[in-house]
Amino acid sequence: SQQGEEDPQALSIQEGENATMNCSYKTSINNLQWYRQNSGRGLVHLILIRSNEREKHSGRLRVTLDTSKKSSSLLITASRAADTASYFCAPRGAGNMLTFGGGTRLMVKP
Amino acid sequence: GAGVSQSPSNKVTEKGKDVELRCDPISGHTALYWYRQSLGQGLEFLIYFQGNSAPDKSGLPSDRFSAERTGGSVSTLTIQRTQQEDSAVYLCASSSERWGTQYFGPGTRLTVL
Repeated sequence: SQQGEEDPQALSIQEGENATMNCSYKTSINNLQWYRQNSGRGLVHLILIRSNEREKHSGRLRVTLDTSKKSSSLLITASRAADTASYFCAPRGAGNMLTFGGGTRLMVKP
Repeated sequence: GAGVSQSPSNKVTEKGKDVELRCDPISGHTALYWYRQSLGQGLEFLIYFQGNSAPDKSGLPSDRFSAERTGGSVSTLTIQRTQQEDSAVYLCASSSERWGTQYFGPGTRLTVL
């Protein structure tokens, strides 16, 4: 299986601050995806970074990928209360089986 | 439809009964995944369909769980003789390519009493 492990498990910040979440994985990947989940229901895709990319931006999101360290980070700048959610990374590669980690629970206080 | 839909949104059943959960993927998506998520936990892969290939059932937790995908579109996840530990949110996702972005449905919250 290809499982991402997110760190920290929980993060609490004030509105306007930046939030950084990390993801580690164990095997080679084709790409790595980040998802957000609100209220324990469906996940929303945020961003996909390919294995030959090192950094990618989308709005207030910045994702980095270090394949040598098998790690990725998600930075949310100028956080808002609406960013409160759980964030999951999904490393994609060989094999179909995919297990998301426990995620990072982000709380943004207004 | 524009996105992945799932039905029912909530299902309460008694222990020992069978349940069927439905997933309508995005039109044209060849890949379809089922996951389940227990309260406060990560997602657990259950089964994967890709086109006309044999499904990857390696994540199904027991032989009480089965799934089929008819005509390469709609999928049904069946849980026979439900147990209390089957209580979870069951999520379906579809994708246009094997390792591509997965688009998730809103999930079905199953409660087994």
